[in-house]
Amino acid sequence: EAGVAQSPRYKIIEKRQSVAFWCNPISGHATLYWYQQILGQGPKLLIQFQNNGVVDDSQLPKDRFSAERLKGVDSTLKIQPAKLEDSAVYLCASSLDLRGNEKLFFGSGTQLSVL
Amino acid sequence: GEDVEQSLFLSVREGDSSVINCTYTDSSSTYLYWYKQEPGAGLQLLTYIFSNMDMKQDQRLTVLLNKKDKHLSLRIADTQTGDSAIYFCAERRSGGSYIPTFGRGTSLIVHP
Repeated sequence: EAGVAQSPRYKIIEKRQSVAFWCNPISGHATLYWYQQILGQGPKLLIQFQNNGVVDDSQLPKDRFSAERLKGVDSTLKIQPAKLEDSAVYLCASSLDLRGNEKLFFGSGTQLSVL
Repeated sequence: GEDVEQSLFLSVREGDSSVINCTYTDSSSTYLYWYKQEPGAGLQLLTYIFSNMDMKQDQRLTVLLNKKDKHLSLRIADTQTGDSAIYFCAERRSGGSYIPTFGRGTSLIVHP
């Protein structure tokens, strides 16, 4: 079974530039998550989708971050404009559904460096 | 403060047991998880325990839950160098959108 695919693997940009990350979840997984993991910290949820609808985006900085999952499969996360403090690993995860015992499967992440 | 707290580092000798501890704050948490993250990789679910259980064993892994003290531990028996990684505790609360909340992770270093 293919895992969660993310691209690019690494990205280096200057502050105030824009960047986009892409995620392809495991086939059949209805729930998709974007997490931000700053060095030395645990992952922090940015946004959660159930199919193509947003379940929770309360911790997404909406003035600069946006995400979409138009067809309920792939998802993109965009930052515009980027700030130095956005340097982090952006992890995408998926699960079959929203039930409590559902396993989250994580991609390898995109490491973003903002200079 | 953090919702889920863990010590940052643990160093053990190969072959010894490792015990990684975690405390959480939300008594309504229904599921508690342990994830492993190797360098440059995403998180991998190791095991989870439902809040009405005290203990769960899975091969070399033993999870203990003290719900009264909101304390969770992961014991790895016969620790190997391949177990060196960061271990994250996470809780999933009842109600709402069932979002797992992660701790900062415990870096386990296994030396020969």
